[in-house]
Amino acid sequence: GAGVSQSPRYKVAKRGQDVALRCDPISGHVSLFWYQQALGQGPEFLTYFQNEAQLDKSGLPSDRFFAERPEGSVSTLKIQRTQQEDSAVYLCASSPLGGGAYNEQFFGPGTRLTVL
Amino acid sequence: KNEVEQSPQNLTAQEGEFITINCSYSVGISALHWLQQHPGGGIVSLFMLSSGKKKHGRLIATINIQEKHSSLHITASHPRDSAVYICAVRALGAQKLVFGQGTRLTINP
Repeated sequence: GAGVSQSPRYKVAKRGQDVALRCDPISGHVSLFWYQQALGQGPEFLTYFQNEAQLDKSGLPSDRFFAERPEGSVSTLKIQRTQQEDSAVYLCASSPLGGGAYNEQFFGPGTRLTVL
Repeated sequence: KNEVEQSPQNLTAQEGEFITINCSYSVGISALHWLQQHPGGGIVSLFMLSSGKKKHGRLIATINIQEKHSSLHITASHPRDSAVYICAVRALGAQKLVFGQGTRLTINP
């Protein structure tokens, strides 16, 4: 079956541009996570959805970052007025359950964003 | 200090060697994950564990909850094992994962 997909895989933006990154989770998965991975670092949490509800957005680094999942499936991470420090790989993960310790996350391939 | 610390950061070994990567964490957890990331590729989950030991092929993961420590072992290492290995934990009551910085493993033929 299809895994988590993300698009685009690569995005180059000029500083100040707005970008939108898409995540298609595994069908039926309740939970969806966005992570940011800077070069040479481990991923860091951005935000978490359970169905369409954004339950945790504590990791979003500024109000330029916005995420939505309006129908509880596809999610979009939007970054407004991109800055060079936004350059990173943005990873999406989904998991089948809404909670519980044994809730494995399945990762997409990531979107590599480069801001010039 | 990061909540999840991995060692070593980089590891180079010869094909066939026994590999150990260590992970220490500072919070109470409900689960610990070992993940593999190939260059330019996505992240693949290797193990999810909350106690004891798990084995899959040449990979073994152990965890000691009291000591807040986990190890990932690779037996009979092969060049195709070359990748970044990442430890991640889910804190008690949380959904998000907190990641270590990763260990870059290179296995030379």
